[in-house]
Amino acid sequence: SQKIEQNSEALNIQEGKTATLTCNYTNYSPAYLQWYRQDPGRGPVFLLLIRENEKEKRKERLKVTFDTTLKQSLFHITASQPADSATYLCAPEGSGGSYIPTFGRGTSLIVHP
Amino acid sequence: EAQVTQNPRYLITVTGKKLTVTCSQNMNHEYMSWYRQDPGLGLRQIYYSMNVEVTDKGDVPEGYKVSRKEKRNFPLILESPSPNQTSLYFCASSLRTDPTYEQYFGPGTRLTVT
Repeated sequence: SQKIEQNSEALNIQEGKTATLTCNYTNYSPAYLQWYRQDPGRGPVFLLLIRENEKEKRKERLKVTFDTTLKQSLFHITASQPADSATYLCAPEGSGGSYIPTFGRGTSLIVHP
Repeated sequence: EAQVTQNPRYLITVTGKKLTVTCSQNMNHEYMSWYRQDPGLGLRQIYYSMNVEVTDKGDVPEGYKVSRKEKRNFPLILESPSPNQTSLYFCASSLRTDPTYEQYFGPGTRLTVT
């Protein structure tokens, strides 16, 4: 069955550095992958969508890559700020004909001033 | 303002007492779904609906019911709540049943069953 893995350990970085979060998937090949941000006790908020034929997508300080060979997506935040502290969820397209994204468990990012 | 609303936001109830959590969206979205979120388990889909009168089970449907009589509303019903249904619940909607469309999430309902 499909499996989505995000680092369960929190990522701690200093303000101004680049944060890199990883999403690995196994046993299938999604054509699309979404990234969401979730603040404590609140609903996820959509950030970016990347398609399998797009190796890289950018939006302001955010950059997402999609490596279909490695079955991995990387999410980068450049010039990170304390306000970027949140949990980031990857959501690849579902497998087996279910076209709705399936969410990973998320990685917590903590940016220290 | 385009949004997904849920009510109530917080609910404490007792085992076996039927409850309904309402969800409404004002964006004319086709697709709506319910998720529960538990520590260490992430977001798990309970039920989804691709349009009016079309609903289907997600990954964890046991103990829940839904209905989609109108496009904007998608209530979640717990006929006989049990303590293992204590969780944070999110309703979400999307313009189309299509992985390229973003999902809009409600603010969440924190349910405690004692």
